Amino acid sequence: AQKITQTQPGMFVQEKEAVTLDCTYDTSDQSYGLFWYKQPSSGEMIFLIYQGSYDEQNATEGRYSLNFQKARKSANLVISASQLGDSAMYFCAMREYDYKLSFGAGTTVTVRA
Amino acid sequence: EAGVTQFPSHSVIEKGQTVTLRCDPISGHDNLYWYRRVMGKEIKFLLHFVKESKQDESGMPNNRFLAERTGGTYSTLKVQPAELEDSGVYFCASSPGQGARDTQYFGPGTRLTVL
Repeated sequence: AQKITQTQPGMFVQEKEAVTLDCTYDTSDQSYGLFWYKQPSSGEMIFLIYQGSYDEQNATEGRYSLNFQKARKSANLVISASQLGDSAMYFCAMREYDYKLSFGAGTTVTVRA
Repeated sequence: EAGVTQFPSHSVIEKGQTVTLRCDPISGHDNLYWYRRVMGKEIKFLLHFVKESKQDESGMPNNRFLAERTGGTYSTLKVQPAELEDSGVYFCASSPGQGARDTQYFGPGTRLTVL
């Protein structure tokens, strides 16, 4: 069964607007971590933000925030005030008890000027 | 602080040849992971080292793949003999520990093309 589902293959967003990238997950573990990574066209994977399953507050890192809804098993990434440099592929990932990451298929974001 | 580095960035080989990929983790990171993204598929876990020991190699596709981590520092992933389906991007990641909050930091990846 798919552990991480990203249903949006590609999205367009206007510069300076906000965009929400969807991520749902499936796990029976009580303790797990959710991560978002950015992969620009240069290929490297850049860590953006982390949310622990026991964290009561939604994680935020600068313009990135994570909308964590545990009961719905969703961990959507919100990018506020989009910039041209935000154009990239974004991956949602989960780590369960065994420490390895399970990734979604990714969402390509294109920011328009 | 230097990030995770991988060498080479690209490799094009013919079916049946051998290729060795190298990963240098962030200094001081005991945990090293290999992942692979085959065209059109998700990024998949291959294996996990803690220092020089293989903690989990459940994701290794078959015995044509051999990973080592000499002295708990850099790691190599050898594919011998390479097959067409081995083409993809191989990522290495490292983390300081295995705690819930230990983020895995990725290298830029090695793009392997098997012709």
